[in-house]
Amino acid sequence: AQSVTQPDIHITVSEGASLELRCNYSYGATPYLFWYVQSPGQGLQLLLKYFSGDTLVQGIKGFEAEFKRSQSSFNLRKPSVHWSDAAEYFCAVGGGRDDKIIFGKGTRLHILP
Amino acid sequence: DTGVSQDPRHKITKRGQNVTFRCDPISEHNRLYWYRQTLGQGPEFLTYFQNEAQLEKSRLLSDRFSAERPKGSFSTLEIQRTEQGDSAMYLCASSLQNQPQHFGDGTRLSIL
Repeated sequence: AQSVTQPDIHITVSEGASLELRCNYSYGATPYLFWYVQSPGQGLQLLLKYFSGDTLVQGIKGFEAEFKRSQSSFNLRKPSVHWSDAAEYFCAVGGGRDDKIIFGKGTRLHILP
Repeated sequence: DTGVSQDPRHKITKRGQNVTFRCDPISEHNRLYWYRQTLGQGPEFLTYFQNEAQLEKSRLLSDRFSAERPKGSFSTLEIQRTEQGDSAMYLCASSLQNQPQHFGDGTRLSIL
């Protein structure tokens, strides 16, 4: 069955510190992988995507993610977080004819001043 | 690119009433998706359209739910005889085939 696991429900980091959000997926074929960010009461904004090619992908707002097929992982990283990065982050997997996306349960990021 | 637009942003209704939400996708996108998001969860797929054809419906979409996209442009999602468990954020997304989905800001439904 297709699924996405985000093992950390909450993460707290200090402003300026580095960040890594974990994501593991289960998918029968080569997946399309995504990270979305959601601010309270808002929709989801695409941070980055992996379809094929280079396994290290760059996204918006200084985020990057690395696809590791052997570990079924797609972790999100940022070298230095800003207070405005506080939000909920969703890892997602999709692909195939219908492009239907399956989301993880999300990781809420808190930033300490 | 005006983005995906959803209306209304918030809807409060009494249990048993019918509600209808509207989604206007990005104009050139032929695919349109509906998702439901409950508190503390990620969005869950409900249904999707390619142009005007509804191609898949999740088992989450009970008989009380119906979605349409009559001319392959905007879409409506109707919930009949609402129940407490229908309280959620309803998200619409659109895309071109094999391209990332762009989401609207959602309609938050509260059932009294």
